[in-house]
Parts: sequence; C-alpha cells; structure tokens
Amino acid sequence: DAKTTQPPSMDCAEGRAANLPCNHSTISGNEYVYWYRQIHSQGPQYIIHGLKNNETNEMASLIITEDRKSSTLILPHATLRDTAVYYCIVRGVNTGFQKLVFGTGTRLLVSP
Amino acid sequence: NAGVMQNPRHLVRRRGQEARLRCSPMKGHSHVYWYRQLPEEGLKFMVYLQKENIIDESGMPKERFSAEFPKEGPSILRIQQVVRGDSAAYFCASSPQENYGYTFGSGTRLTVV
Repeated sequence: DAKTTQPPSMDCAEGRAANLPCNHSTISGNEYVYWYRQIHSQGPQYIIHGLKNNETNEMASLIITEDRKSSTLILPHATLRDTAVYYCIVRGVNTGFQKLVFGTGTRLLVSP
Repeated sequence: NAGVMQNPRHLVRRRGQEARLRCSPMKGHSHVYWYRQLPEEGLKFMVYLQKENIIDESGMPKERFSAEFPKEGPSILRIQQVVRGDSAAYFCASSPQENYGYTFGSGTRLTVV
C-alpha cells in the first residue's frame, strides 16, 4: 500500500511554477522519496528522488522538510506538456526496496 | 541507447486465448519489473525478476499468470486463458541494480474481446 498522500488534482498556468505537495508522515530514516509522472497513457517517467537533502535536476526540484514528513515537487516553469499524473513514492527497505508502490497521484493540468 | 522496449504495443485476444507480452530491458539492466494498470486506475506491481530468477511475485494473480526472464532474450509475461478483466495496460521497467530508479517502457495494451 502507498505510504503517501497527495491532492487528487491541481491546476497551474503555463509559465508559472507548479508546486506539488506530498505527505509521507510515516517515512523511515532509510526510505527515499521518489517522484514519477505519467503523461496520458504513456509509461511512467522518472523525475527526481531524494533522501533528506533538497535535490535539483534539469526537470524539477525536490524540497524535503527537515522532519522528512512531507515534500514538494517544483516544476519551475510549467508547460502544457507537463500535464500529467504525478506520483510521490516512498521507497526503502520497509516497503520492499525493489518495488515502487504507486498511489493515486496528483493530476496536474497546465492551462494556457 | 535504446530504452525499455515492449511489444506488441497493442494486443487483442479472444477470451480463452493466451497472451504473451515481451519486454527487452535497457542495455546493461538485469532487473525487470512488471506492472499492470487497469482502466482509470493506478499502476499495480506484479512481479520483479532478475536474470533467470523470480525475486518477488507478490503482485501476481495466483492463476493463469506467469513471468520469466531467461538468460538470453526478453522477459515474458504470459497470461493463459485470458478473460475480459485482464484487459489493461501492462508496463515493464528495468534497472541496473535493485535500488536504482526504474526506466519504464511504453507498455502493451491488452484488449480481451
């Protein structure tokens, strides 16, 4: 079962930052936070992951709170092509390290 | 470097037939994962395999479903005697090691008529 809570949907204007929240209050010290997205019916796409430090790559930034009970995925300049379902996933030894357990995610709609 | 290749992209089977879904992992990846996505639902883990071994099949239905990842060739997800409820998108992912991020394929959409 998923160990994360995300809002079911969010809207964002094109060109603005999209901030997608995720609660993972039961996360353990050795568990990572992963973000994936699924555009329409394509295969899920890896975005970013982190343990406790904030992370940034060419796609997004991941901000993890100091107590690690929540995190925020930031798409700095959302485009129409960022419309997708975004999944926040906790992964570690306690969840069966190998497998990713997907929840229901957040459906992000980017509008012109 | 080609990504994870799945074929066929679309597969139509009549009830009672067998469905074979193929997945070729990325070069250098020896870990393969299969997921199923029913219409309007999330992705559900099915099985995790390394070369020639099934590591975790906790998400596999007990009957009619099987998976393999032979030493040579692609991973195969096999569904015997398909029923309409098997209609779904089946995604394969691969990784170089067990605690690395996955790369997913584009999926096989199975329709049972």
